[in-house]
Amino acid sequence: GNSVTQMEGPVTLSEEAFLTINCTYTATGYPSLFWYVQYPGEGLQLLLKATKADDKGSNKGFEATYRKETTSFHLEKGSVQVSDSAVYFCALTINQAGTALIFGKGTTLSVSS
Amino acid sequence: DAGVIQSPRHEVTEMGQEVTLRCKPISGHNSLFWYRQTMMRGLELLIYFNNNVPIDDSGMPEDRFSAKMPNASFSTLKIQPSEPRDSAVYFCASSFSAGGQETQYFGPGTRLLVL
Repeated sequence: GNSVTQMEGPVTLSEEAFLTINCTYTATGYPSLFWYVQYPGEGLQLLLKATKADDKGSNKGFEATYRKETTSFHLEKGSVQVSDSAVYFCALTINQAGTALIFGKGTTLSVSS
Repeated sequence: DAGVIQSPRHEVTEMGQEVTLRCKPISGHNSLFWYRQTMMRGLELLIYFNNNVPIDDSGMPEDRFSAKMPNASFSTLKIQPSEPRDSAVYFCASSFSAGGQETQYFGPGTRLLVL
């Protein structure tokens, strides 16, 4: 079956620290991979995505590379800010029109100044 | 662009009452998804529609839950009768289907509390 596994949280960092949130997946075929972010009290918003192997998605200083050989899509940021505190979800879809996202359980990031 | 609109934003009801959640997708999108988020189970897909037709409702917990999409601009999720274990945040999302790589856009959610 198709599934996403994320590292357990919470992750607590100081401002300007380096962030890595691990994500691995199991999928039939060739999925598209996504990172969504949920700020407190809000819905999910797309942070970045990659649709084929070796693609790198990036946005707001965050990056993730689609690694087919390790079935991974780890999220990284070189210097986190307090405003990055949120819940981060790794997700995939199988490349068929209109298919739903399969989410990981989410990783809570807390950044202190 | 108004984004995905959900109403109500908050709902408090008593066990046994009927609850109706509403969603207006982004204009031009042809896929609509209902998700439920709880601390215990995370984000779960309940049902999704493509071109107003239900494609997969295997995530709907039981017969107390029903969803409709009478036209491209409106969908409802109904719980009847409601139970305390239905308390959760319910999200609607929409997308324009283009081979599975499309981004889903989420509404702000409806926070449901069943007493």
